[in-house]
Amino acid sequence: AQTVTQSQPEMSVQEAETVTLSCTYDTSESDYYLFWYKQPPSRQMILVIRQEAYKQQNATENRFSVNFQKAAKSFSLKISDSQLGDAAMYFCAHGGATNKLIFGTGTLLAVQP
Amino acid sequence: GAVVSQHPSWVICKSGTSVKIECRSLDFQATTMFWYRQFPKQSLMLMATSNEGSKATYEQGVEKDKFLINHASLTLSTLTVTSAHPEDSSFYICSASPGQGAGTGELFFGEGSRLTVL
Repeated sequence: AQTVTQSQPEMSVQEAETVTLSCTYDTSESDYYLFWYKQPPSRQMILVIRQEAYKQQNATENRFSVNFQKAAKSFSLKISDSQLGDAAMYFCAHGGATNKLIFGTGTLLAVQP
Repeated sequence: GAVVSQHPSWVICKSGTSVKIECRSLDFQATTMFWYRQFPKQSLMLMATSNEGSKATYEQGVEKDKFLINHASLTLSTLTVTSAHPEDSSFYICSASPGQGAGTGELFFGEGSRLTVL
């Protein structure tokens, strides 16, 4: 069975600073995807970044990047130049061949002005 | 990007009644849709996988007779909460994968539906 663990229930960062959100996972699948989703107060799930497990290169999307350590089953999200609009709940998720996602418990990120 | 729409976004019902929530893929065909449930300040828990033209696959612990799922077309899946009780109050979210998207990690989320059972 797949599991996703986020050990940081809450994090805080100063505006313009960098913050890293942690995620570890366990899976029995050889081909899978890892995701970071942002959920603002509107509750709409917004895809932040996606990583294919077969790719060694870490995914990046503008100010968002990941540190994917496959052997350690670690998938952390780094947010650079944090902005007030980045404040939200962030979920790490694992997806396999069926596209069903298993989510971590989430990290609530606060951005201080 | 692709759009998935849920309706209603918010519903209040009396205990004992049934409520239907719709999930539509507006600009692509979705052979597979997923239903999640999210309690306040908690994570999304997968309830079931909805397959077009066949029975849904439910996750362990989810009551099939309580949460009826129908995926009658390639663009519509419905979740019916039968004989709703206050403990069924939650936020229900669907996601959908394009027909060719299996195994690609490509899926899209609806806006969610908040159910309150009085």
